[in-house]
Amino acid sequence: DADVTQTPRNRITKTGKRIMLECSQTKGHDRMYWYRQDPGLGLRLIYYSFDVKDINKGEISDGYSVSRQAQAKFSLSLESAIPNQTALYFCATSDLTEDYGYTFGSGTRLTVV
Amino acid sequence: DQQVKQNSPSLSVQEGRISILNCDYTNSMFDYFLWYKKYPAEGPTFLISISSIKDKNEDGRFTVFLNKSAKHLSLHIVPSQPGDSAVYFCAASDTGANSKLTFGKGITLSVRP
Repeated sequence: DADVTQTPRNRITKTGKRIMLECSQTKGHDRMYWYRQDPGLGLRLIYYSFDVKDINKGEISDGYSVSRQAQAKFSLSLESAIPNQTALYFCATSDLTEDYGYTFGSGTRLTVV
Repeated sequence: DQQVKQNSPSLSVQEGRISILNCDYTNSMFDYFLWYKKYPAEGPTFLISISSIKDKNEDGRFTVFLNKSAKHLSLHIVPSQPGDSAVYFCAASDTGANSKLTFGKGITLSVRP
């Protein structure tokens, strides 16, 4: 099993629908992150959580919300999806004891039509 | 304001030759730098890192050089192989307790057989 698992892998949804992307990890890391990747824009941070009771906005949090249900689970919600939220979404985990590197999931390709 | 810049969106290199991928940063608080590699349909994976106390770190065919005065780092791949064809992201952080990685836009490397 992958260290960081994202579900679903692909999703097409309609404008205005609520959608949740899920992330679970077996690394035992306290820190979890949600990024989106757009062509020509790289990886941009949406939200991050340093432990179960900690939630922080990243650089592009508008239109998104998150929930940290447990150390191992961090979900991203789009309350009312819009077409410019079409992107590749990545969940990542990290631990301060591991040289600050991140472990990424395989991504969720979301298309909003 | 982009704090980590990868100004070239793509690079094409002949197999066996050297690939040089460049990255510039503007935040003088950054003191840890990483390179990630990403294949299509996969999440980014950690490649190599360097701390600001060093100016070079080598791992097999991959070497990262850091020029702190110029706020510039580069990744050298020698010799380049077709399997190195991927998107490469430069990332940087400070080493504080609340540090997070800031990513560049990425560069697509194509190694021609």
